[in-house]
Amino acid sequence: AQTVTQSQPEMSVQEAETVTLSCTYDTSESNYYLFWYKQPPSRQMILVIRQEAYKQQNATENRFSVNFQKAAKSFSLKISDSQLGDTAMYFCAFMKQGGAQKLVFGQGTRLTINP
Amino acid sequence: DGGITQSPKYLFRKEGQNVTLSCEQNLNHDAMYWYRQDPGQGLRLIYYSQIVNDFQKGDIAEGYSVSREKKESFPLTVTSAQKNPTAFYLCASSISYSQTGANTEAFFGQGTRLTVV
Repeated sequence: AQTVTQSQPEMSVQEAETVTLSCTYDTSESNYYLFWYKQPPSRQMILVIRQEAYKQQNATENRFSVNFQKAAKSFSLKISDSQLGDTAMYFCAFMKQGGAQKLVFGQGTRLTINP
Repeated sequence: DGGITQSPKYLFRKEGQNVTLSCEQNLNHDAMYWYRQDPGQGLRLIYYSQIVNDFQKGDIAEGYSVSREKKESFPLTVTSAQKNPTAFYLCASSISYSQTGANTEAFFGQGTRLTVV
């Protein structure tokens, strides 16, 4: 069974700083997808970034980028030039490619951006 | 507009009652999911379905039931057997591997807040 672990329950940084959220996962699969989702106070889940395991290049989306280390089973999210609107819960998630499509989430990291 | 709709937004249940949470999507997605979120915690998978008339138990299926009679709909019933049902419930859908040869991200509804009174 796949598991996803986020070891930082809470983080806090000043506006415009860079912050990195950690995520590790455990799987015996070779082909899979990893995601970071954001849940602001509205509680709407929003996809931040996605990484296919077969791609060596790290995904980037504007100020958001990941550091994907497949051998170490690590998938961290870096937020550059953080903004007040980045304040939210952030969830790391795993989905196997093909077969039983079970989307598994970590426990989440509560990120606060201070003015 | 394409999307996934959950209703109601707030639901109150008396002890011993069954209640059903609605989830509808018009994204033509095969896969649908139900998650439970407790305060300050992550999302725990209750049930998921990859195709009509088929569904699998997730990690915390006890006290819950689902049906998937139509592609667009995946209702969740919280039965009286669920001893601690007060939580936030999220429904999601995604394109399945069988549809395109690739998975995609899950799209979420806005959630239902269930409270036992």
